[in-house]
Amino acid sequence: KNEVEQSPQNLTAQEGEFITINCSYSVGISALHWLQQHPGGGIVSLFMLSSGKKKHGRLIATINIQEKHSSLHITASHPRDSAVYICAVRGSGGSNYKLTFGKGTLLTVNP
Amino acid sequence: ETGVTQSPTHLIKTRGQQVTLRCSSQSGHNTVSWYQQALGQGPQFIFQYYREEENGRGNFPPRFSGLQFPNYSSELNVNALELDDSALYLCASSLSSLETQYFGPGTRLLVL
Repeated sequence: KNEVEQSPQNLTAQEGEFITINCSYSVGISALHWLQQHPGGGIVSLFMLSSGKKKHGRLIATINIQEKHSSLHITASHPRDSAVYICAVRGSGGSNYKLTFGKGTLLTVNP
Repeated sequence: ETGVTQSPTHLIKTRGQQVTLRCSSQSGHNTVSWYQQALGQGPQFIFQYYREEENGRGNFPPRFSGLQFPNYSSELNVNALELDDSALYLCASSLSSLETQYFGPGTRLLVL
């Protein structure tokens, strides 16, 4: 079992829909990252969080440390949101230099 | 402010050869991390350098090695290339290992 699991693997939505991507992890962490990867490879960091909730524009990220679970929400989705969304956790203690990534969720938003 | 850059963008090598990939960190960033991303997978951590010293390493064999220079640019060297080394190689720079990482566009390596 991977240390970081994401669901769903693939998600297709219509423009304007509310989207949720989930991430579960099995190890102790010091922080969790949500990243966006467009075709061609470039990765952009969306959020880094260690507790609670963060919001940036139409994106919201939440984390529940006790349940080892995080969600990324996109409100009023748009075709330009189409990308792979990746959850990554930073280890705790002596492993806090290392990011462990999920396999990603491929999001397609149709007009 | 210049972002993270990587060179080359694409590379084709044959099995057994050696390759050097380069990364230029974002201005002011003294930490660089390297990742390997196979097709359809999430990135895998190779190693991290902080102020020219290796700060941590993932589960990669010794034929994967690196360097960080005084200007904090970095190299990833892979010796004795294998077919499974075909992947996208990403570097990311940050102010420290605990801060947000800024990724380069990657180098796509194909080993034939």
